[in-house]
Amino acid sequence: NSKVIQTPRYLVKGQGQKAKMRCIPEKGHPVVFWYQQNKNNEFKFLINFQNQEVLQQIDMTEKRFSAECPSNSPCSLEIQSSEAGDSALYLCASSLDRDAEQFFGPGTRLTVL
Amino acid sequence: GQQVQQSPASLVLQEGENAELQCNFSSTATRLQWFYQHPGGRLVSLFYNPSGTKHTGRLTSTTVTNERRSSLHISSSQTTDSGTYFCAIHTGYQNFYFGKGTSLTVIP
Repeated sequence: NSKVIQTPRYLVKGQGQKAKMRCIPEKGHPVVFWYQQNKNNEFKFLINFQNQEVLQQIDMTEKRFSAECPSNSPCSLEIQSSEAGDSALYLCASSLDRDAEQFFGPGTRLTVL
Repeated sequence: GQQVQQSPASLVLQEGENAELQCNFSSTATRLQWFYQHPGGRLVSLFYNPSGTKHTGRLTSTTVTNERRSSLHISSSQTTDSGTYFCAIHTGYQNFYFGKGTSLTVIP
């Protein structure tokens, strides 16, 4: 079973507010992924890291979203100015390698009012 | 376009019946994973299965990579199997594409 930890489990923000969520990958996993799952079960890849370095990120992430994976601290995903369309389940996954099996955390459910 | 297509979208079974979930993908997959999502949201990896057949308990996954398809067989279904099952593929460009899932309901 996955040991990826995500906090908080639920997050409620008003439009325009910052929303920050954290992820602790499984011990020994250098690769971390962030995904967004909307209410229609559509998953969107946001960004991934290997150690502290960004491997790939989508355009959406480059504009309002920021993410980091500092050494010896949880990874984080922050939305600078939340919009209603950002309401979704944000999932963090970790793996041994960028092509290896991914293990997911329980997610942070963001609601933007 | 749609990289991963799952069928059926939903399935209702009587406890004890078997289930067959299908996953078809449009790109060459270097990796395929089957997941179960709890109602609370956590995705549990069931199989990491680039090709061939794997078994765990009552679950069997069969992937034929060159035909771009995979199936998940659940035998003797139980009410605790209820939830959503996702298939996801990795295409070698660090992107992981998910299907829209099969919602399974097992009734006692």
